[in-house]
Amino acid sequence: QKEVEQDPGPLSVPEGAIVSLNCTYSNSAFQYFMWYRQYSRKGPELLMYTYSSGNKEDGRFTAQVDKSSKYISLFIRDSQPSDSATYLCAMSGNGQNFVFGPGTRLSVLP
Amino acid sequence: GAVVSQHPSWVICKSGTSVKIECRSLDFQATTMFWYRQFPKQSLMLMATSNEGSKATYEQGVEKDKFLINHASLTLSTLTVTSAHPEDSSFYICSAIGTSRNTGELFFGEGSRLTVL
Repeated sequence: QKEVEQDPGPLSVPEGAIVSLNCTYSNSAFQYFMWYRQYSRKGPELLMYTYSSGNKEDGRFTAQVDKSSKYISLFIRDSQPSDSATYLCAMSGNGQNFVFGPGTRLSVLP
Repeated sequence: GAVVSQHPSWVICKSGTSVKIECRSLDFQATTMFWYRQFPKQSLMLMATSNEGSKATYEQGVEKDKFLINHASLTLSTLTVTSAHPEDSSFYICSAIGTSRNTGELFFGEGSRLTVL
């Protein structure tokens, strides 16, 4: 079993849809969770940072962490074509070593 | 969010030459910097971890004499690809964590695309 699992997609949705992106993990020691957006030929951009369980909202983005289920989610409301990118989840137990999901490719169709 | 800057964003070089890529943290002190390699449509592959003032720790299979990493200050790390060959062509990305940021909050540079002819 991989340490972090993420559906690679591609995921295609119409503009305005709510997008749900998910990662599951196996290491119960993880306590720092992040979501990144990566456009083609660019470095990953930090979207959401969460410590431990709970929800966090920032504009159209909501991150959820359920440590009991070892499951994290990123929701994008009112999706836009500019949201088309690859979304990476990342997590760490000690804040020094990081494990990344393989990324989900998202296409938002106008 | 914090800014990590990489330079150059794109470099083309001849086979056998060396190329240096810089990674700077612009608004925080980066105690630890990481270097990754990414192939098209693939995930990030960690190459090495560097702590300021210490020798870098390389991942298994990464040639430390080929990929020289220096982290001489809290705002600058460099990756030098020595005697580059076409198979070294790739997208190289740095990232950093720092004491003035949230624990475990990792910021990436814009990436540097290396093409070796």
